[in-house]
Amino acid sequence: DGGITQSPKYLFRKEGQNVTLSCEQNLNHDAMYWYRQDPGQGLRLIYYSQIVNDFQKGDIAEGYSVSREKKESFPLTVTSAQKNPTAFYLCASSIGGEPTDTQYFGPGTRLTVL
Amino acid sequence: GNSVTQMEGPVTLSEEAFLTINCTYTATGYPSLFWYVQYPGEGLQLLLKATKADDKGSNKGFEATYRKETTSFHLEKGSVQVSDSAVYFCALSTSNYQLIWGAGTKLIIKP
Repeated sequence: DGGITQSPKYLFRKEGQNVTLSCEQNLNHDAMYWYRQDPGQGLRLIYYSQIVNDFQKGDIAEGYSVSREKKESFPLTVTSAQKNPTAFYLCASSIGGEPTDTQYFGPGTRLTVL
Repeated sequence: GNSVTQMEGPVTLSEEAFLTINCTYTATGYPSLFWYVQYPGEGLQLLLKATKADDKGSNKGFEATYRKETTSFHLEKGSVQVSDSAVYFCALSTSNYQLIWGAGTKLIIKP
């Protein structure tokens, strides 16, 4: 079955530590995205990537970093510079970036900073 | 700028009731419009979409019509089930790689 996998489902981090969230897709999609979801709010875009070895900042990129070395993979690193990292993180992909293209989502990773 | 406004939740209904969740938008140009659903503890799934004015998206008994004259994309279902309990997000896209999201509406269906 094609889809998007994210791991781990739950992640706990101590303050001052960097942590990397995994996102893999086997849909052969060119575009991938990372969103942050906080309670009672819509999704906010952190980073997106149109193709391999290219990525762009979204609305809330500060304190986060990404890489896109393979088409299938788009890991997100939450650095110690992110002041309030506790949130639900969602990865998505789409075949391209046209406004009509549907974004498909993974199951999410819930990050808690202790 | 572009924005999406959804009715605040939670919306609580009894099983088999009629559902409407309002969504209005502000956008330049001609956006594509989406409804996504999020079940507890899960990621989002596309429920339906419409890409031009007067289009009707439909899926799993849910419908929404793209109304340019009222800048709306209200979600409706004729008879809800307990399994429809979830958070529903309205979103729009006018430019590449950018989705603008509403805040979400939590729907609770009681048996």
